[in-house]
Amino acid sequence: DTGVSQDPRHKITKRGQNVTFRCDPISEHNRLYWYRQTLGQGPEFLTYFQNEAQLEKSRLLSDRFSAERPKGSFSTLEIQRTEQGDSAMYLCASSSWTSGREQFFGPGTRLTVL
Amino acid sequence: SQQGEEDPQALSIQEGENATMNCSYKTSINNLQWYRQNSGRGLVHLILIRSNEREKHSGRLRVTLDTSKKSSSLLITASRAADTASYFCATFPGAQKLVFGQGTRLTINP
Repeated sequence: DTGVSQDPRHKITKRGQNVTFRCDPISEHNRLYWYRQTLGQGPEFLTYFQNEAQLEKSRLLSDRFSAERPKGSFSTLEIQRTEQGDSAMYLCASSSWTSGREQFFGPGTRLTVL
Repeated sequence: SQQGEEDPQALSIQEGENATMNCSYKTSINNLQWYRQNSGRGLVHLILIRSNEREKHSGRLRVTLDTSKKSSSLLITASRAADTASYFCATFPGAQKLVFGQGTRLTINP
């Protein structure tokens, strides 16, 4: 499968713990995005990378959140000191110049904070 | 914050009927896209319409865009059980991010 992959698919953690999610984009895509989706809502933009550069961050991305894309390939999203309000689906997407404005989404990581 | 608002929030129809979903947005856009989401496959891109286009077709899908009213509609003709999903409009206002609406939950009854 050459689509966007995310790991893990599900994560249950206790409040106050740190969690890290990984996203592997489609190999030739130089743009990578993170979104968060809560139940019954559409995805909300968190951050965007072009190659290894993080070019935009949403106000939703508090200082407890950090994202990296060290070599311009896979990306990680870390949440420190998790809170119950962080419970959501975290979606990763990628795109390229040739894919136009279409973004290709991964299956998501569902986070539950107890 | 989310820009688009879909209407209706939920829609239930019989297989074979047509389904129409509407989307309104707030700011100017470069393009508008429709995505489908179901539990099995995640978010899948359906169709993109540019701001200078008024109508676009793809298979059983027809999308219209009225930039003067800041609205779009998605028509699915001859619905099938496999069309059961949530449908989201997403605007591309010029930055790299997509701004999604809250979605329409479509149920196709056999």
